[in-house]
Amino acid sequence: DQQVKQNSPSLSVQEGRISILNCDYTNSMFDYFLWYKKYPAEGPTFLISISSIKDKNEDGRFTVFLNKSAKHLSLHIVPSQPGDSAVYFCAARAAAGGSYIPTFGRGTSLIVHP
Amino acid sequence: EAGVAQSPRYKIIEKRQSVAFWCNPISGHATLYWYQQILGQGPKLLIQFQNNGVVDDSQLPKDRFSAERLKGVDSTLKIQPAKLEDSAVYLCASSFDLYNEQFFGPGTRLTVL
Repeated sequence: DQQVKQNSPSLSVQEGRISILNCDYTNSMFDYFLWYKKYPAEGPTFLISISSIKDKNEDGRFTVFLNKSAKHLSLHIVPSQPGDSAVYFCAARAAAGGSYIPTFGRGTSLIVHP
Repeated sequence: EAGVAQSPRYKIIEKRQSVAFWCNPISGHATLYWYQQILGQGPKLLIQFQNNGVVDDSQLPKDRFSAERLKGVDSTLKIQPAKLEDSAVYLCASSFDLYNEQFFGPGTRLTVL
């Protein structure tokens, strides 16, 4: 049973436009959400996170939005650049349960065309 | 600062053979993780160490997988004997402690024929 779902395996966007990557979760105990970026032949690298007490967190071109009632979060990249082409993993963890291990989604492959 | 190192980067073996992976975490990081990432899926935790002690190994198939971190620094993950479904990328990650951000190594891609 997937607790973190990324239903779009891939997304193609034109350079300069907005990229929106979506993530849904089912476990209401999740209270901290992370996005990781992964290039081929490299390990995932942390990109941005958001606590459940917030609904938005922004870092440069990257913004994560959290809708707790819908159990949905999204990552916005504006403007998109070709170097953003990578696989993006959504992850969630439930610190209240004493575990800080994130549960990962399957990932969305983003391709930004010049 | 050097990142998480893993070796080998690629390994091809036949089923029923044994294989071992090595990980050197970032210096000073007490917590070390091994993940399995099957193609098309997200990373799944296999085992978590805090220094040289096991914190969580609930997802480790203990009949064939073993891991150790004897001196609280480097770690090895072993599969014996390997099955076809073990084909995956094995990622090692480390963090300063249990609560902080994880840094991942480049992974070892295992192919079991």
